[in-house]
Amino acid sequence: ILNVEQSPQSLHVQEGDSTNFTCSFPSSNFYALHWYRWETAKSPEALFVMTLNGDEKKKGRISATLNTKEGYSYLYIKGSQPEDSATYLCADFIYNLFFGTGTRLTVIP
Amino acid sequence: DAGITQSPRYKITETGRQVTLMCHQTWSHSYMFWYRQDLGHGLRLIYYSAAADITDKGEVPDGYVVSRSKTENFPLTLESATRSQTSVYFCASSESGSGGVSSYNEQFFGPGTRLTVL
Repeated sequence: ILNVEQSPQSLHVQEGDSTNFTCSFPSSNFYALHWYRWETAKSPEALFVMTLNGDEKKKGRISATLNTKEGYSYLYIKGSQPEDSATYLCADFIYNLFFGTGTRLTVIP
Repeated sequence: DAGITQSPRYKITETGRQVTLMCHQTWSHSYMFWYRQDLGHGLRLIYYSAAADITDKGEVPDGYVVSRSKTENFPLTLESATRSQTSVYFCASSESGSGGVSSYNEQFFGPGTRLTVL
């Protein structure tokens, strides 16, 4: 069983604050690292699929970086908005996706 | 409408009964997946399918059976439901990537089925 860990488990920030959270994964035999955004009462939706060491991806105010040698990825949200409130999941792909338990972000207006 | 759908959305059943959860996608994606989501655990893969008539076990397959006679459908059957199978079940699909590997392709998730086994 692959050990994918996310921290923190939950996070409250004020509207307008920037924030970041971490996904750590075993660094051997790396194929891909996925980030998903999961709003309450909805389904997970893909944010990024990252495959190369040093990858940086951006979608609007959300960006992610990847370090495959040390086995971590950071997700950044700049200028958090209430609609960013969600659980952010990362998943490491070996022969299938292994998901972390997520970071639950609450943005307070 | 195009997309991935699951039925039923909610199901209550009793221990020992057979239950089938349905998943249908309209994208003709090669890969389909079944996950369960439980408190304190991330999404855990039950079974997956790389194409019609090709299925394989995931992380937690015990007590479940799948089939894929058509590309668009991937039903999940609990042959004799147990209380430990109370969970939220998500179906997902993705395109086949280079060499038939799906690692580089995002997965698209259905709305989920909340199953309660009494």
